Amino acid sequence: DAKTTQPPSMDCAEGRAANLPCNHSTISGNEYVYWYRQIHSQGPQYIIHGLKNNETNEMASLIITEDRKSSTLILPHATLRDTAVYYCIVRAYYNQGGKLIFGQGTELSVKP
Amino acid sequence: AAGVIQSPRHLIKEKRETATLKCYPIPRHDTVYWYQQGPGQDPQFLISFYEKMQSDKGSIPDRFSAQQFSDYHSELNMSSLELGDSALYFCASSLAAWGSSYNEQFFGPGTRLTVL
Repeated sequence: DAKTTQPPSMDCAEGRAANLPCNHSTISGNEYVYWYRQIHSQGPQYIIHGLKNNETNEMASLIITEDRKSSTLILPHATLRDTAVYYCIVRAYYNQGGKLIFGQGTELSVKP
Repeated sequence: AAGVIQSPRHLIKEKRETATLKCYPIPRHDTVYWYQQGPGQDPQFLISFYEKMQSDKGSIPDRFSAQQFSDYHSELNMSSLELGDSALYFCASSLAAWGSSYNEQFFGPGTRLTVL
């Protein structure tokens, strides 16, 4: 599975968009980009995933560059409840699932 | 909606004792994962089961064992506990999604194990 690099921490003002970057320059053609987040001591929570197209759901948007070497998770209107550690994970898709390898994520602090 | 259930939520043990953590996946989910998260660390994958068979194994100590039962619940058995085993243990479940683009993992609230 490809290695990812994320900034260790970021701040965001409440109500503003939070843009969380992730570098995955060694990503291979069959690997997806997944985002999970962990609010303090709770179980990680799935946010979104994508292969090469931009994706949007009710929680966030995922923008993947054309060369797929980096991506950005966008929380359009951050709230205090979005304060969490955000993990970018790159791995191949398996029908039967597959383990998640959590690297150093980004600790996002949303401030009033 | 039903979520992943873990029991107990908190457990205190002495060194060299044994502990059993239980996980009840979301109904109809056929895959269970166990993760360990030490203080200030990121979650680390331990082991997973698909349809009651071990499907993958991570950095799980030999002192630990796990299984998935016929009703799909899973148990993580930990023996000869050490101080370093103190951690949050998460169970996650998913449903094999043949032909779908992703089968997300749903995590339980975790069991906090403290070894004294």
